[in-house]
Amino acid sequence: KAGVTQTPRYLIKTRGQQVTLSCSPISGHRSVSWYQQTPGQGLQFLFEYFSETQRNKGNFPGRFSGRQFSNSRSEMNVSTLELGDSALYLCASRWGSYGNTEAFFGQGTRLTVV
Amino acid sequence: GQQLNQSPQSMFIQEGEDVSMNCTSSSIFNTWLWYKQDPGEGPVLLIALYKAGELTSNGRLTAQFGITRKDSFLNISASIPSDVGIYFCAGHNQGGKLIFGQGTELSVKP
Repeated sequence: KAGVTQTPRYLIKTRGQQVTLSCSPISGHRSVSWYQQTPGQGLQFLFEYFSETQRNKGNFPGRFSGRQFSNSRSEMNVSTLELGDSALYLCASRWGSYGNTEAFFGQGTRLTVV
Repeated sequence: GQQLNQSPQSMFIQEGEDVSMNCTSSSIFNTWLWYKQDPGEGPVLLIALYKAGELTSNGRLTAQFGITRKDSFLNISASIPSDVGIYFCAGHNQGGKLIFGQGTELSVKP
């Protein structure tokens, strides 16, 4: 069965622009979480969606938003890009939102803001 | 917010040596997961632990769920160059939220 698919793999944007990243979870998984990873900062939780509803949210500004579609695919949007938004953005899917379900990651989207 | 304290932050070892890293928390966790991340890639799940005291192996990797449910360790035996990467622990807290440690960066010298 196919793993978590993130597109695009690499992206270069200019300050002030906006960007949309996509994540297709493992078939049957209904929860998608997004993380930002920068050198030395580990995995910073952005938000989690389950059945098209945002279940949890991290401490990021409102420029970061997301949504989930009825087929569980999720998109993350960052508006008014800043240089500090350059990072590896990872999504993880799991079967459920609550309980002890394992999370599986995609390969990530490397965003560079210039 | 709730945190997992992962140590050490980095390790430099010789090929063939054994490695040990751990995660601790002040709160109880219901599961512990260990991931490995290669440069530029997403983390890959190595081992999942579901019960306090559980000891699980995956090849040269062994991980244990602490009996107090507040800690876990990962051991790698006879390290090889391809073990290089960042290892993350993660755990589900009482509310089901998945929390990650800050990672242990492993370097292996041939």
